[in-house]
Amino acid sequence: RKEVEQDPGPFNVPEGATVAFNCTYSNSASQSFFWYRQDCRKEPKLLMSVYSSGNEDGRFTAQLNRASQYISLLIRDSKLSDSATYLCVVNRGNDMRFGAGTRLTVKP
Amino acid sequence: ETGVTQSPTHLIKTRGQQVTLRCSSQSGHNTVSWYQQALGQGPQFIFQYYREEENGRGNFPPRFSGLQFPNYSSELNVNALELDDSALYLCASSQIAGAGYEQYFGPGTRLTVT
Repeated sequence: RKEVEQDPGPFNVPEGATVAFNCTYSNSASQSFFWYRQDCRKEPKLLMSVYSSGNEDGRFTAQLNRASQYISLLIRDSKLSDSATYLCVVNRGNDMRFGAGTRLTVKP
Repeated sequence: ETGVTQSPTHLIKTRGQQVTLRCSSQSGHNTVSWYQQALGQGPQFIFQYYREEENGRGNFPPRFSGLQFPNYSSELNVNALELDDSALYLCASSQIAGAGYEQYFGPGTRLTVT
């Protein structure tokens, strides 16, 4: 079993749709959680950190469920520019463990 | 842009050769981490450098080694290249050592081993 698991998708949604991604992690000692987005053949870019109380940044909302060991990302009112691969990241000591990513395509 | 730079952008090497990749961290960041990203996979942690010392290492063999310099820039060296070393190599800098802090990535070096 992989330490960080994501549904690979692809998720194909129309503009304006709401889409949610889940990520599960196996190391219960993990303390830090992040979402990154990665465009094709580019570097990952930090989207948001995920806090225990949940956090929101504009159209993006991240939630953490420690008991069930999963993290979610909700994107509201999807834009064409949201098309990318979304990477879930969980720390393991000094090591950041990345999921393989979930691919999102937003269509007109 | 993050302010993290990497060189070269692309590189083609032959199996058995050695390669050095370079990274300059974002201003104010003293920690550099290196990752290998194979096609279709998430980045895999190679190691982290803080104050010129290795500060954590992933599951990579000793032929992957690194350095950090007093200006916080860093090098990744790979000896005895294998075909499976073909990947995008990313460095990321952060203000604080460890994995619990936000890391900012450079554009990567795409290495092809033939």
